[in-house]
Amino acid sequence: GQQLNQSPQSMFIQEGEDVSMNCTSSSIFNTWLWYKQEPGEGPVLLIALYKAGELTSNGRLTAQFGITRKDSFLNISASIPSDVGIYFCAGRDHSGGGADGLTFGKGTHLIIQP
Amino acid sequence: DGGITQSPKYLFRKEGQNVTLSCEQNLNHDAMYWYRQDPGQGLRLIYYSQIVNDFQKGDIAEGYSVSREKKESFPLTVTSAQKNPTAFYLCASSISANQETQYFGPGTRLLVL
Repeated sequence: GQQLNQSPQSMFIQEGEDVSMNCTSSSIFNTWLWYKQEPGEGPVLLIALYKAGELTSNGRLTAQFGITRKDSFLNISASIPSDVGIYFCAGRDHSGGGADGLTFGKGTHLIIQP
Repeated sequence: DGGITQSPKYLFRKEGQNVTLSCEQNLNHDAMYWYRQDPGQGLRLIYYSQIVNDFQKGDIAEGYSVSREKKESFPLTVTSAQKNPTAFYLCASSISANQETQYFGPGTRLLVL
């Protein structure tokens, strides 16, 4: 089946620093999604990407759909304490018909030191 | 407010017992999904439903069952056949099965006594 490799697994940064994380897949994806999850809560959608090469921003967050369609990047600029959480990439490969759920990475745990 | 609700927030199961997790949405979405999340893991798909009265197995359906009698509701039953049920369970929905953007509920944490 499809596999997503998300890195880094965790990040310890200082408040104000920029953050960068990425996901790579074993197959071509038609969609990339980035979610943030806080402890004990469900994931919240941050950014959705639908086209290769697409670069989309949501406030201090920027995500890109890789040209090869096998990777995606999420950047957070000038991190603040409320950015703490686990960030998941997710994607869908339509080669099989596309009616099932998303494939998720294992998450990047972001920890910010004041 | 439109959204997805899950109940209860926490659920305790005794050995050999079946338990049912509730998921309700008022977003008028056709498709609904159940995922399981274990520590340090990504979300894994248990079951999904594209439309009322239809559902399909996901990657880890063994030991689980679902029903979709109403568009708004997609309950998940964790049966006694599921030998390792302790996990965080997440329900999601999307406008249609071919619409990739899924919206999640707050989750239910299931613990075995």
